[in-house]
Amino acid sequence: QKEVEQDPGPLSVPEGAIVSLNCTYSNSAFQYFMWYRQYSRKGPELLMYTYSSGNKEDGRFTAQVDKSSKYISLFIRDSQPSDSATYLCALRLSGNTPLVFGKGTRLSVIA
Amino acid sequence: DSGVTQTPKHLITATGQRVTLRCSPRSGDLSVYWYQQSLDQGLQFLIQYYNGEERAKGNILERFSAQQFPDLHSELNLSSLELGDSALYFCASSAGPPGSNQPQHFGDGTRLSIL
Repeated sequence: QKEVEQDPGPLSVPEGAIVSLNCTYSNSAFQYFMWYRQYSRKGPELLMYTYSSGNKEDGRFTAQVDKSSKYISLFIRDSQPSDSATYLCALRLSGNTPLVFGKGTRLSVIA
Repeated sequence: DSGVTQTPKHLITATGQRVTLRCSPRSGDLSVYWYQQSLDQGLQFLIQYYNGEERAKGNILERFSAQQFPDLHSELNLSSLELGDSALYFCASSAGPPGSNQPQHFGDGTRLSIL
């Protein structure tokens, strides 16, 4: 079983839809949870970062962590064509350890 | 713009050759990380440096090596290249020492193509 599982998609939604992106993980020792967005031919860009169970909101983005289920989600409200990108979840055991990434979900928002 | 600069953007070379990838971290960042991104494996951590010293190693092949210089820029050296080394290589940097869990900021990568 891989440490972090993420559905690669592709996921195609109409503009204005609510998008739900998810990752599951196997190691309950992960403490830090991040979402990165990667546009084509660009590096990953940090979107959200959290370390506790529950929700964290930033504009149209909400990150949700459920440590008991080992499940993290990213919700995008009022999706825009500019949100079309690959979304990567990244987890970290502690501040001293490298990031472990999911393989990414490719999202297309159609105008 | 993340502030992390990677050169070159694209590198094409042949099997058996050696290449050097360069990374300049964001101003003030002391930690540098190298990652490899391929279609089948996703983003994989290779190695981390903090203020010139190696701090963590991931799935880095023995044919690969890295260093961080006194001016904090870093280089990733790949030798005896194989077709399977074709991938995107990313550098990321963060402020603070290892353990502080500062976010990592990525450059736009070097695309390495082995012919």
